[in-house]
Amino acid sequence: EPEVTQTPSHQVTQMGQEVILRCVPISNHLYFYWYRQILGQKVEFLVSFYNNEISEKSEIFDDQFSVERPDGSNFTLKIRSTKLEDSAMYFCASSEVAGEIAFNEQFFGPGTRLTVL
Amino acid sequence: LAKTTQPISMDSYEGQEVNITCSHNNIATNDYITWYQQFPSQGPRFIIQGYKTKVTNEVASLFIPADRKSSTLSLPRVSLSDTAVYYCLVGGGVRDTGRRALTFGSGTRLQVQP
Repeated sequence: EPEVTQTPSHQVTQMGQEVILRCVPISNHLYFYWYRQILGQKVEFLVSFYNNEISEKSEIFDDQFSVERPDGSNFTLKIRSTKLEDSAMYFCASSEVAGEIAFNEQFFGPGTRLTVL
Repeated sequence: LAKTTQPISMDSYEGQEVNITCSHNNIATNDYITWYQQFPSQGPRFIIQGYKTKVTNEVASLFIPADRKSSTLSLPRVSLSDTAVYYCLVGGGVRDTGRRALTFGSGTRLQVQP
């Protein structure tokens, strides 16, 4: 069964450093997403990406964050200058192009645990 | 976006049927009801989606009454591996703004005991 993959599984960084989290969505999917989950809290939407541009973003996704699809398979989330509060599990997801239903199934990756010291 | 309310937690035993009810009083005409499951330290996983009446797949059933103001996820004969958090989400019809972002609440933490 096809699946979303993410690397690395764990990332430890110093406050103020840049990090890039990588995702390989399912190959025939065209919508890509990033979510995060701070330990013990809700899963929060960050951004969605379609047709090489941001489709939606939340208030969390400020100027410190950026996304890119550098080639035909990878989808990345960059945090320019990490803060302590960026420590969380970051999940990538992908979905097919919606037909009748905008909420068609999103497939989540295993996550990258980011720890900012 | 329709607000959803679910029990914070539920306990069950192996082999029992578990029903988790979600209320969504302000559901819009075009909204669908979707349930996700999340195991610790894993990403959420889609379980089932429906618009009205009853939907069944290989893992669960979803019951939606005529007024659509609530829905019930039914897990038949749960096992220990069904211990997880279950999220009810509402939204996403074709006449929606096209918003695809999933808004997760706190979910229902299901604990299955032997």
